[in-house]
Amino acid sequence: AQKITQTQPGMFVQEKEAVTLDCTYDTSDPSYGLFWYKQPSSGEMIFLIYQGSYDQQNATEGRYSLNFQKARKSANLVISASQLGDSAMYFCAMREVLNQAGTALIFGKGTTLSVSS
Amino acid sequence: DVKVTQSSRYLVKRTGEKVFLECVQDMDHENMFWYRQDPGLGLRLIYFSYDVKMKEKGDIPEGYSVSREKKERFSLILESASTNQTSMYLCASLSPGQGDYTQYFGPGTRLTVL
Repeated sequence: AQKITQTQPGMFVQEKEAVTLDCTYDTSDPSYGLFWYKQPSSGEMIFLIYQGSYDQQNATEGRYSLNFQKARKSANLVISASQLGDSAMYFCAMREVLNQAGTALIFGKGTTLSVSS
Repeated sequence: DVKVTQSSRYLVKRTGEKVFLECVQDMDHENMFWYRQDPGLGLRLIYFSYDVKMKEKGDIPEGYSVSREKKERFSLILESASTNQTSMYLCASLSPGQGDYTQYFGPGTRLTVL
């Protein structure tokens, strides 16, 4: 069965510093996709970044990058130059094929990031 | 931009009431999903639908049903609400046919059952 593990319930970082949020996954499917979402206190889930299992390079989106280590089955999110607005809960997720027509996401339990000035 | 809307941000209901949570997306997505989110448990899939009138159970379907009469609308139904269904409910959609497996989420509904 597919599984996503986030072992850090909470992380604290100072403004302008970089922070890494850990994510490990387990799947026997050779084709998969990994996502990171941000959830501020308002509740909406905001898509941040995506990495496909066959992508040769690590994904980057602005201040977000995904440190993809396939052999170790890890997909850590790196946020550079943290800002106060980065304070939120962060979820790692993996695409799961449900049937021929449908896919869904399975989520980790999340990491709460707190950025201080 | 994809837009997914949910009928209520906050809802308070009494035990035993029938509750409808509505979700609408405006991007012609085939797949729609209902998740519930609880502290320490992350998001768990309740039901999903891959086409009109097609639905399948997710990981925690007990106590819930769904309806998808039109492509853009996916409803979650609590037939007889119970206090253990107090939670945050998130709707999402995607279109695998477009080659984009990103799920787009609505703003969520915080349901309290008293």
